[in-house]
Amino acid sequence: DQQVKQNSPSLSVQEGRISILNCDYTNSMFDYFLWYKKYPAEGPTFLISISSIKDKNEDGRFTVFLNKSAKHLSLHIVPSQPGDSAVYFCAAPLLGTYKYIFGTGTRLKVLA
Amino acid sequence: GAGVSQSPSNKVTEKGKDVELRCDPISGHTALYWYRQSLGQGLEFLIYFQGNSAPDKSGLPSDRFSAERTGGSVSTLTIQRTQQEDSAVYLCASSLARDNEQFFGPGTRLTVL
Repeated sequence: DQQVKQNSPSLSVQEGRISILNCDYTNSMFDYFLWYKKYPAEGPTFLISISSIKDKNEDGRFTVFLNKSAKHLSLHIVPSQPGDSAVYFCAAPLLGTYKYIFGTGTRLKVLA
Repeated sequence: GAGVSQSPSNKVTEKGKDVELRCDPISGHTALYWYRQSLGQGLEFLIYFQGNSAPDKSGLPSDRFSAERTGGSVSTLTIQRTQQEDSAVYLCASSLARDNEQFFGPGTRLTVL
């Protein structure tokens, strides 16, 4: 049972436009969410996070939105740059455990 | 400063052999995680270490998998009697403490023939 779902395996966006990456979760035992970016042959790197007490967190070109009622979060990248091309994972620590649950990732390609 | 390092970067082995994967976390990081990523899948949690102890081994897929951490630093993930379904990228991450940002190593790509 995939508790954190990224239903779009890939996304292509023109440089300068907005990229929107989506993530849905099924478990209410998450109160903190993270986005990681992964380049080929490298480990994931932390990008941005959001606590469940917030509905938005912004860091430069990256903004994460959380809709708790819909159990949905999204990562917005604007403007998108070719260097943003990577696989993006959403993740959440499972409350009461040490376990982090990751989505399957979305491969973003930003076209120059 | 040095990041998380893992060795080997690639490992090809025959079915039934044992393998050891090594992780050197960032100095001073007490929390250490092992994950694996199979083809087309997300990262699958395997085990968490706090110092030398492993309070959460719930992600280990079978008793063929074991891990240890010595001196609160280096960790080794051992897979005994490897099977083809063990083929994956094994990733290690460390953090200052639980719930802090995790820093990932580059991973070990394991191929079981």
